[in-house]
Amino acid sequence: AQSVTQLDSHVSVSEGTPVLLRCNYSSSYSPSLFWYVQHPNKGLQLLLKYTSAATLVKGINGFEAEFKKSETSFHLTKPSAHMSDAAEYFCALMGTDSWGKLQFGAGTQVVVTP
Amino acid sequence: NAGVTQTPKFRILKIGQSMTLQCTQDMNHNYMYWYRQDPGMGLKLIYYSVGAGITDKGEVPNGYNVSRSTTEDFPLRLELAAPSQTSVYFCASSGDRGRALYGYTFGSGTRLTVV
Repeated sequence: AQSVTQLDSHVSVSEGTPVLLRCNYSSSYSPSLFWYVQHPNKGLQLLLKYTSAATLVKGINGFEAEFKKSETSFHLTKPSAHMSDAAEYFCALMGTDSWGKLQFGAGTQVVVTP
Repeated sequence: NAGVTQTPKFRILKIGQSMTLQCTQDMNHNYMYWYRQDPGMGLKLIYYSVGAGITDKGEVPNGYNVSRSTTEDFPLRLELAAPSQTSVYFCASSGDRGRALYGYTFGSGTRLTVV
Protein backbone atom coordinates (compact mmCIF):
# COMPACT_ATOMS: atom_id res chain seq x y z
CA ALA A 1 0.00 0.00 0.00
CA GLN A 2 1.13 3.54 -0.60
CA SER A 3 0.54 6.63 1.47
CA VAL A 4 1.36 10.30 1.76
CA THR A 5 1.84 12.10 5.07
CA GLN A 6 2.09 15.85 5.45
CA LEU A 7 3.76 16.42 8.76
CA ASP A 8 2.30 19.85 9.55
CA SER A 9 -1.36 20.80 9.31
CA HIS A 10 -0.57 24.52 9.78
CA VAL A 11 2.55 26.59 9.16
CA SER A 12 2.87 30.26 10.00
CA VAL A 13 5.71 32.34 8.56
CA SER A 14 6.63 35.98 8.36
CA GLU A 15 6.83 37.65 4.99
CA GLY A 16 10.37 37.43 3.64
CA THR A 17 11.35 34.36 5.70
CA PRO A 18 11.83 30.81 4.38
CA VAL A 19 8.98 28.36 4.02
CA LEU A 20 9.33 24.61 4.63
CA LEU A 21 6.43 22.21 4.10
CA ARG A 22 7.17 18.59 4.91
CA CYS A 23 5.91 15.54 3.05
CA ASN A 24 6.81 11.89 3.60
CA TYR A 25 5.66 9.05 1.42
CA SER A 26 5.42 5.31 1.48
CA SER A 27 5.51 3.31 -1.73
CA SER A 28 6.73 -0.09 -2.85
CA TYR A 29 7.94 1.42 -6.09
CA SER A 30 9.63 4.64 -7.07
CA PRO A 31 6.68 7.03 -7.15
CA SER A 32 5.88 10.21 -8.98
CA LEU A 33 5.31 13.03 -6.50
CA PHE A 34 3.54 16.34 -6.83
CA TRP A 35 2.87 19.52 -4.88
CA TYR A 36 -0.36 21.40 -5.51
CA VAL A 37 -1.52 24.73 -4.11
CA GLN A 38 -5.10 25.77 -3.41
CA HIS A 39 -5.99 29.39 -2.81
CA PRO A 40 -9.25 30.12 -0.99
CA ASN A 41 -12.34 29.01 -2.90
CA LYS A 42 -10.28 27.93 -5.88
CA GLY A 43 -9.31 24.67 -7.54
CA LEU A 44 -5.87 23.12 -7.18
CA GLN A 45 -2.91 24.31 -9.20
CA LEU A 46 0.23 22.28 -9.87
CA LEU A 47 3.36 23.76 -8.28
CA LEU A 48 5.91 21.14 -9.26
CA LYS A 49 6.43 17.44 -9.85
CA TYR A 50 9.07 14.74 -9.47
CA THR A 51 9.00 12.01 -12.09
CA SER A 52 12.33 10.17 -11.57
CA ALA A 53 14.53 12.71 -13.32
CA ALA A 54 16.44 15.33 -11.30
CA THR A 55 15.91 14.98 -7.55
CA LEU A 56 15.82 18.75 -7.02
CA VAL A 57 12.74 20.06 -8.74
CA LYS A 58 11.96 23.71 -9.38
CA GLY A 59 8.39 24.87 -9.73
CA ILE A 60 6.39 28.01 -10.18
CA ASN A 61 6.49 31.09 -7.94
CA GLY A 62 9.96 30.32 -6.56
CA PHE A 63 9.09 26.99 -4.96
CA GLU A 64 11.31 23.95 -5.12
CA ALA A 65 11.32 20.45 -3.67
CA GLU A 66 13.91 17.76 -3.18
CA PHE A 67 13.20 14.06 -3.56
CA LYS A 68 15.14 12.05 -0.98
CA LYS A 69 14.65 8.33 -1.45
CA SER A 70 16.66 7.40 1.64
CA GLU A 71 14.36 9.53 3.79
CA THR A 72 11.20 8.88 1.73
CA SER A 73 10.60 12.60 1.71
CA PHE A 74 9.61 15.30 -0.75
CA HIS A 75 9.71 18.56 1.20
CA LEU A 76 8.66 21.85 -0.39
CA THR A 77 10.66 25.02 0.21
CA LYS A 78 10.73 28.65 -0.75
CA PRO A 79 13.54 31.01 0.30
CA SER A 80 11.36 34.05 0.94
CA ALA A 81 7.63 33.96 1.63
CA HIS A 82 5.28 36.42 0.02
CA MET A 83 1.82 37.38 1.21
CA SER A 84 0.38 35.73 -1.89
CA ASP A 85 1.78 32.36 -0.72
CA ALA A 86 -0.96 32.13 1.91
CA ALA A 87 -2.90 29.06 0.78
CA GLU A 88 -3.31 25.35 1.39
CA TYR A 89 -0.66 23.04 -0.02
CA PHE A 90 -1.10 19.39 -0.89
CA CYS A 91 1.52 16.73 -1.49
CA ALA A 92 0.35 13.92 -3.78
CA LEU A 93 1.66 10.59 -5.00
CA MET A 94 0.93 8.86 -8.29
CA GLY A 95 1.10 5.12 -8.15
CA THR A 96 2.45 2.71 -10.70
CA ASP A 97 -0.85 1.61 -12.20
CA SER A 98 -1.80 2.92 -15.59
CA TRP A 99 -4.57 5.27 -14.67
CA GLY A 100 -2.84 8.36 -13.30
CA LYS A 101 -4.66 8.32 -9.99
CA LEU A 102 -3.35 10.66 -7.33
CA GLN A 103 -3.29 10.02 -3.60
CA PHE A 104 -3.25 13.27 -1.63
CA GLY A 105 -1.91 14.17 1.77
CA ALA A 106 -4.16 15.94 4.28
CA GLY A 107 -2.84 19.36 3.38
CA THR A 108 -0.83 22.12 5.07
CA GLN A 109 -2.39 25.52 5.64
CA VAL A 110 0.16 28.31 5.26
CA VAL A 111 -0.36 31.66 6.94
CA VAL A 112 1.93 34.55 6.03
CA THR A 113 2.15 37.46 8.44
CA PRO A 114 3.45 40.93 7.53
CA ASN B 1 -10.71 29.37 -21.99
CA ALA B 2 -9.74 25.70 -22.20
CA GLY B 3 -10.17 23.81 -19.00
CA VAL B 4 -12.52 21.91 -16.73
CA THR B 5 -15.95 23.40 -16.02
CA GLN B 6 -18.03 22.33 -13.04
CA THR B 7 -21.63 23.24 -12.36
CA PRO B 8 -23.21 24.23 -10.07
CA LYS B 9 -20.75 26.08 -7.86
CA PHE B 10 -22.95 25.80 -4.78
CA ARG B 11 -25.92 23.65 -3.85
CA ILE B 12 -27.97 22.88 -0.78
CA LEU B 13 -29.77 19.54 -0.79
CA LYS B 14 -32.21 18.04 1.64
CA ILE B 15 -31.59 14.56 2.99
CA GLY B 16 -32.85 11.97 0.53
CA GLN B 17 -32.79 14.24 -2.51
CA SER B 18 -30.75 13.43 -5.60
CA MET B 19 -28.65 15.58 -7.87
CA THR B 20 -26.05 15.47 -10.61
CA LEU B 21 -22.80 17.40 -10.48
CA GLN B 22 -21.72 18.29 -13.97
CA CYS B 23 -18.15 18.24 -15.27
CA THR B 24 -17.04 19.11 -18.79
CA GLN B 25 -13.55 19.45 -20.25
CA ASP B 26 -12.55 20.75 -23.67
CA MET B 27 -8.96 19.48 -23.82
CA ASN B 28 -9.77 16.06 -25.31
CA HIS B 29 -8.38 14.40 -22.19
CA ASN B 30 -9.06 10.72 -21.78
CA TYR B 31 -8.60 10.55 -18.00
CA MET B 32 -11.11 12.21 -15.70
CA TYR B 33 -11.51 12.06 -11.93
CA TRP B 34 -13.90 13.04 -9.17
CA TYR B 35 -12.52 13.92 -5.76
CA ARG B 36 -14.15 15.13 -2.60
CA GLN B 37 -12.37 17.45 -0.21
CA ASP B 38 -13.14 17.53 3.50
CA PRO B 39 -11.32 19.74 6.03
CA GLY B 40 -8.13 18.13 7.30
CA MET B 41 -8.61 15.09 5.09
CA GLY B 42 -7.10 16.15 1.80
CA LEU B 43 -8.78 14.93 -1.38
CA LYS B 44 -10.27 11.48 -1.69
CA LEU B 45 -10.91 9.82 -5.05
CA ILE B 46 -14.56 8.92 -5.65
CA TYR B 47 -14.58 7.63 -9.23
CA TYR B 48 -12.39 7.87 -12.26
CA SER B 49 -12.63 7.22 -15.98
CA VAL B 50 -9.98 6.41 -18.55
CA GLY B 51 -12.15 7.00 -21.59
CA ALA B 52 -15.70 7.10 -22.86
CA GLY B 53 -17.60 4.10 -21.55
CA ILE B 54 -14.93 3.14 -19.00
CA THR B 55 -15.27 4.02 -15.33
CA ASP B 56 -14.07 2.55 -12.06
CA LYS B 57 -14.41 3.11 -8.33
CA GLY B 58 -11.94 5.07 -6.32
CA GLU B 59 -11.37 5.13 -2.57
CA VAL B 60 -14.82 6.45 -1.48
CA PRO B 61 -17.46 5.48 -4.07
CA ASN B 62 -20.40 4.63 -1.80
CA GLY B 63 -23.44 6.81 -2.41
CA TYR B 64 -22.24 7.99 -5.81
CA ASN B 65 -22.52 6.93 -9.44
CA VAL B 66 -20.88 8.11 -12.63
CA SER B 67 -21.19 7.70 -16.36
CA ARG B 68 -18.94 8.64 -19.25
CA SER B 69 -20.80 8.64 -22.54
CA THR B 70 -18.51 11.18 -24.21
CA THR B 71 -14.88 12.21 -23.84
CA GLU B 72 -15.93 15.68 -22.68
CA ASP B 73 -18.44 14.93 -19.95
CA PHE B 74 -18.12 13.08 -16.65
CA PRO B 75 -21.16 13.71 -14.42
CA LEU B 76 -21.32 12.58 -10.80
CA ARG B 77 -24.69 11.43 -9.49
CA LEU B 78 -25.69 11.52 -5.84
CA GLU B 79 -28.65 9.34 -4.99
CA LEU B 80 -30.41 9.73 -1.65
CA ALA B 81 -28.19 12.50 -0.32
CA ALA B 82 -26.90 12.14 3.25
CA PRO B 83 -25.24 14.69 5.58
CA SER B 84 -21.97 12.74 5.19
CA GLN B 85 -21.90 13.88 1.57
CA THR B 86 -21.53 17.50 2.58
CA SER B 87 -18.22 18.36 0.98
CA VAL B 88 -16.46 20.23 -1.79
CA TYR B 89 -16.30 18.20 -4.98
CA PHE B 90 -13.59 18.61 -7.57
CA CYS B 91 -13.46 17.25 -11.06
CA ALA B 92 -10.09 16.92 -12.78
CA SER B 93 -8.74 15.69 -16.09
CA SER B 94 -5.44 14.66 -17.64
CA GLY B 95 -4.14 13.05 -20.78
CA ASP B 96 -2.99 9.44 -20.73
CA ARG B 97 -0.70 8.37 -17.89
CA GLY B 98 2.30 9.86 -19.59
CA ARG B 99 0.54 13.19 -19.72
CA ALA B 100 -0.91 12.68 -16.25
CA LEU B 101 2.66 13.13 -15.10
CA TYR B 102 2.27 16.75 -16.21
CA GLY B 103 -0.42 17.13 -13.59
CA TYR B 104 -4.15 17.44 -13.56
CA THR B 105 -6.34 20.29 -14.67
CA PHE B 106 -8.86 20.92 -11.90
CA GLY B 107 -12.27 22.49 -12.03
CA SER B 108 -13.16 25.22 -9.55
CA GLY B 109 -15.28 22.90 -7.43
CA THR B 110 -18.86 22.42 -6.28
CA ARG B 111 -19.64 23.15 -2.64
CA LEU B 112 -22.48 20.86 -1.56
CA THR B 113 -24.34 21.02 1.73
CA VAL B 114 -26.84 18.32 2.72
CA VAL B 115 -29.29 19.35 5.44
